[in-house]
Amino acid sequence: DSGVTQTPKHLITATGQRVTLRCSPRSGDLSVYWYQQSLDQGLQFLIQYYNGEERAKGNILERFSAQQFPDLHSELNLSSLELGDSALYFCASSVVQASSGELFFGEGSRLTVL
Amino acid sequence: KNQVEQSPQSLIILEGKNCTLQCNYTVSPFSNLRWYKQDTGRGPVSLTIMTFSENTKSNGRYTATLDADTKQSSLHITASQLSDSASYICVVSDPGGGNKLTFGTGTQLKVEL
Repeated sequence: DSGVTQTPKHLITATGQRVTLRCSPRSGDLSVYWYQQSLDQGLQFLIQYYNGEERAKGNILERFSAQQFPDLHSELNLSSLELGDSALYFCASSVVQASSGELFFGEGSRLTVL
Repeated sequence: KNQVEQSPQSLIILEGKNCTLQCNYTVSPFSNLRWYKQDTGRGPVSLTIMTFSENTKSNGRYTATLDADTKQSSLHITASQLSDSASYICVVSDPGGGNKLTFGTGTQLKVEL
């Protein structure tokens, strides 16, 4: 158990809909990262938050947004969903920067868009 | 563009055998190189982290090596077990701060009886 909690584990929805994925980082970790992993693809970095503020952006679509709350949990909002958004979405946390410290991943949220 | 390439893409071995997975990267400079194990449908779990000054790092039956001159790393698995069946991902970070991690697409390992 990495200590990173993601909900829901599975989600099935229709095209055009909006969903919210939730992540609780490990106790004491200030940084939260979101990654997308499509079938047979590598992990694609979406966005990072550090102590409530956006720190870095990757290949995140404009239809996607995220935020980190004062209690350090984070939410990833996916809107106007398309079939291609079907993927595993992982949250990870670290004490400071992922590039220098250990990165702990949650178990992921599997999104299926029909 | 910084890249991390892994080979082979997939591998099947018999239980008890050893295997070696390869990682070539172009990220430069880099601060550390990591190997993760990802079971199907699960989150990646860290196996080893090596800084540019380290040549080898072990974690049980897993041994990672790093040659910073040739920008190559390998992950050696000794006496494989069925539970080693997973995807093994090589990740390289640079010292620039932020989330500058570059992920390989992984080697899918299957261990059979």
